[in-house]
Parts: sequence; structure tokens; C-alpha cells
Amino acid sequence: QVHSVQSGAEMKPPGASVKVSCKTSGYIFFNYGIHWVRQAPGQRLEWLGWINTDTGTTQYSQKFQDRVILTRDTSASTVYMELNSLRFEDTALYYCARGQNLGSWIFDFWGQGTPVTVSS
Amino acid sequence: DFVMTQSPHSLAVSLGERATINCKSSQSVLSNSRNYLAWFQQKPGQSPKLLIYWASTRNSGVPDRFSGSGSGTEFTLTINNLQAEDVAIYHCQQYHTGPITFGQGTRLEIK
Repeated sequence: QVHSVQSGAEMKPPGASVKVSCKTSGYIFFNYGIHWVRQAPGQRLEWLGWINTDTGTTQYSQKFQDRVILTRDTSASTVYMELNSLRFEDTALYYCARGQNLGSWIFDFWGQGTPVTVSS
Repeated sequence: DFVMTQSPHSLAVSLGERATINCKSSQSVLSNSRNYLAWFQQKPGQSPKLLIYWASTRNSGVPDRFSGSGSGTEFTLTINNLQAEDVAIYHCQQYHTGPITFGQGTRLEIK
């Protein structure tokens, strides 16, 4: 059974960095890409980027290009999303979502979400 | 960026009736005879769940009460025989061109 379990809630001051993990299980890690999507209060879902879990290649939304870093630990079947230079407007629920295959942009399984609050 | 606009913002439908949600893209999402359009259901307190992809292909396990249609820039999600468990926010998403973008969501309630 496919599972994506994300790390717990985070609270950070403006300017800090946050790193969220997404531990996957129930399938072959290298065969599926992982995307990150966030949902700020009252806002639409917003895509941050994608990582090829086999090669580590990444693709980012231009909006977050300078502030987000996606990495993976193949031995732990885990993907990480680091967001730097946090702003109040980064307060949101952050999701990892699996692509239907390595290069797919169709999100077939989502993690439970990690709340990130940016507060002074 | 592709701007996705859903209508209505919210709707209330009686049990057993049909619900229709529309999604319009600012640019065509049709390429190689495929529409790069997906629909998600997000129940309260839960993560989004994939319902439909390629505009009309139901994901595994999705009841056939749910159907998607449309092409190019205009799409529709139809829910027939509405059930109480269908109360949710529905999101459309284009994956034709990066960045991937979503509609603002449509809240579906029971009348």
C-alpha cells in the first residue's frame, strides 16, 4: 500500500529556513517522481517543484526558484523540501505528492501535509 | 502562467441530484490529442485525492458517478447521483506547461 508520511508541524521566524521530509513506502522509490504543493489559508493550491527520485534532477516553479531546494535520500526512500528566507506569506500546508511515474505531472498519492507557520 | 478559473465558487445540490463544476484555462491544454487536465477532491481535513486525469480518465477506485469532459480551454466535472460523502472542495489542475497551476477550488455542499 502506497504511503507518504510527512514530518511534523513547524514554526519559524521570518528569514529562517524550514526543511520538510516526505518518507515514502509501499512502492519502488526510484520509479516515481515527487512533487511539492502548498496550500495557504484561503488560497489555491500552488506547485513548488519536482524531483526525479532516480537521478536527483529537479525542476522548480520560477516563483520559488531562488528559495526552494528539493533533495532525496535514496537509502531512506525520503524526499526533502527546504524553503529558505521565509516570509509571513509562506505560512501554509505543504504537501508532497507522487507522480504517476518518474516524469509524470499527474499526482496520484499525496502525503498528509505539514503545516508551516512563519511568525515573529 | 496558465490561469485556471473555476465556476461556481460554491454550490449546493440535493442528494441524488447532479452537480456540475466548470474549469476554464487561459490557454489551451490540448497537445497530441490529449488534454493535460486533472480534477481533485479534497474532503475537510484531508489531502487532495486524484479523481480524473487526461480530462476524462477516472482514477482507479473512483466511482463512475464522477465524470470529466471538455477539451482545449473548457472543462467540466460532473457528479451524478450526489452522495453525502461527496461534500468536498474540488480543484482542477493543468499539467500542460510549467508551472503546474490549479483552479481556486469549488466548494460542494448538500442542499
